[in-house]
Amino acid sequence: GAVVSQHPSWVICKSGTSVKIECRSLDFQATTMFWYRQFPKQSLMLMATSNEGSKATYEQGVEKDKFLINHASLTLSTLTVTSAHPEDSSFYICSARQGSNEKLFFGSGTQLSVL
Amino acid sequence: RKEVEQDPGPFNVPEGATVAFNCTYSNSASQSFFWYRQDCRKEPKLLMSVYSSGNEDGRFTAQLNRASQYISLLIRDSKLSDSATYLCVVIRGGGNKLTFGTGTQLKVEL
Repeated sequence: GAVVSQHPSWVICKSGTSVKIECRSLDFQATTMFWYRQFPKQSLMLMATSNEGSKATYEQGVEKDKFLINHASLTLSTLTVTSAHPEDSSFYICSARQGSNEKLFFGSGTQLSVL
Repeated sequence: RKEVEQDPGPFNVPEGATVAFNCTYSNSASQSFFWYRQDCRKEPKLLMSVYSSGNEDGRFTAQLNRASQYISLLIRDSKLSDSATYLCVVIRGGGNKLTFGTGTQLKVEL
């Protein structure tokens, strides 16, 4: 089956630093990638949708200047949390879709802890 | 009202029991429905799609009730390994966006 690789799995960083999370589709071309955030005991909340070669579409309440998304190729999307603060600590997961196929393939997630 | 609602549980059941979860959705334009399983601090994994006619996969049965706008998941002969959070996922018709429920936590005990 399709594989989506997400790195890093864990990040612990100081407040004010920026953190980049990578999401790669390993055996298919991901025309659309999604970035989610999940706080403990809560549902996955969609942050943004990105299509290769175009600007990401952010959900209401998500700051686009704080959460920078780049989808420069059909196999790679990155999420950069800029000037991270403790309230940004969360579980971030990417998912990818090939074409119009409804099936989503998820990365393994990144646990971000900001001290 | 949330677009997708689930009872968070936890549901504690003995091994071998049959357990069922419901999930309600508020948007009547919803077209596609799925159950995902998520283990603690791991990514969600697709368990099964939910079809109007109902569908079964081994010990798991999913059903859709469009009139009442809910989907259900039935697990028979529960195993310890079934312990996880079960997420209900809904896609609106023609849409791109998946909406996740908060999940129902299941704990299967000896």
